[in-house]
Amino acid sequence: DTAVSQTPKYLVTQMGNDKSIKCEQNLGHDTMYWYKQDSKKFLKIMFSYNNKELIINETVPNRFSPKSPDKAHLNLHINSLELGDSAVYFCASSQADRSSNYGYTFGSGTRLTVV
Amino acid sequence: TQLLEQSPQFLSIQEGENLTVYCNSSSVFSSLQWYRQEPGEGPVLLVTVVTGGEVKKLKRLTFQFGDARKDSSLHITAAQPGDTGLYLCAAVYNFNKFYFGSGTKLNVKP
Repeated sequence: DTAVSQTPKYLVTQMGNDKSIKCEQNLGHDTMYWYKQDSKKFLKIMFSYNNKELIINETVPNRFSPKSPDKAHLNLHINSLELGDSAVYFCASSQADRSSNYGYTFGSGTRLTVV
Repeated sequence: TQLLEQSPQFLSIQEGENLTVYCNSSSVFSSLQWYRQEPGEGPVLLVTVVTGGEVKKLKRLTFQFGDARKDSSLHITAAQPGDTGLYLCAAVYNFNKFYFGSGTKLNVKP
């Protein structure tokens, strides 16, 4: 059983399109996250949800909108995709909010390529 | 400017060699975690250190948290090709801010 699963694994799309990435965790964790990893492998947090409520919203363009229908799911919708959005997007979950010492469980990532 | 600096950025060694990678900050951490990321996968948590001066061992990996809680190191003994990957440190500041380091890419050649 995959603990944190995200789909799709790869996404190639044209500029201007709208796309969604889905994430599900079966660990019973209360908090879920979206991270962006750039070409230099730097991981930067985008959003965090605790029990379906948005608790962290870093400086991210409004074109990015997270949605959490329940605490096991956190989806990421991106409008009007731009070339600079190309990156690997990781979903993660943890037992508490990011101040805890429990660490994250990450999904295997979605490689988004905007052409 | 990165809040957490890791060094070296790249490391290529032969199987059987020892190595140390470092994670440094100008600010005090509440706690620090080390992750390993393999190509095409997400980072996997290796260890969490909380107390200044703490040392934790995970088989051939030894993790140390600096006394002042501003730095940490990861030492690998007798590296194996399976240790190849991107090693990331991640730190919690002020109990509510979490940042990842820039990473060390390790390649262990057979």
